[in-house]
Amino acid sequence: DVKVTQSSRYLVKRTGEKVFLECVQDMDHENMFWYRQDPGLGLRLIYFSYDVKMKEKGDIPEGYSVSREKKERFSLILESASTNQTSMYLCASTLLQGYLDSPLHFGNGTRLTVT
Amino acid sequence: KQEVTQIPAALSVPEGENLVLNCSFTDSAIYNLQWFRQDPGKGLTSLLLIQSSQREQTSGRLNASLDKSSGRSTLYIAASQPGDSATYLCAVRPGDGGSQGNLIFGKGTKLSVKP
Repeated sequence: DVKVTQSSRYLVKRTGEKVFLECVQDMDHENMFWYRQDPGLGLRLIYFSYDVKMKEKGDIPEGYSVSREKKERFSLILESASTNQTSMYLCASTLLQGYLDSPLHFGNGTRLTVT
Repeated sequence: KQEVTQIPAALSVPEGENLVLNCSFTDSAIYNLQWFRQDPGKGLTSLLLIQSSQREQTSGRLNASLDKSSGRSTLYIAASQPGDSATYLCAVRPGDGGSQGNLIFGKGTKLSVKP
């Protein structure tokens, strides 16, 4: 079974702090994604990566950056946390085989509160 | 721009009932459509993936259909059980060639199955 592991289930941080959210997958997937999920807004893509050291902006990249130094690990960085970044953050990965995808596999999420 | 809509936003049914969840999308150019389940406070679990060339997929009591030309998909749940209570999300992979596996999500239908 594919396992996507997010390092923290709950985080509380202060405004202005630099925050790291870590995600590791164990299935050698090329593609990894960071989403945030908010009531009424659904899932929105922040960043994704299709290879080591490669990254692409999603729909809402402002205030975030990412790092993919190893294939299995994809980190989301909040450079200076703000209260409007309080949200549920979800990491996902998939094996992209041409145009035939495998299912998207999600971690259990990190609920971040910025005070 | 691709948009995914799920109606209704919430549904409550008695145990044992067969039910259908609906998903519509605005652009028929997709690579695939996926259905997910999300339990409260958790990540998403992939239920079914339908490639664009397929019409339906089945897994146990679940059956998902896809009509690309009309921009619709349905998730049929047979003999519903209280354990089916969750939020169900559908998502499409746009066929624009540049998405690298990214999905566009609906906002979900929250299902409650009463004993």
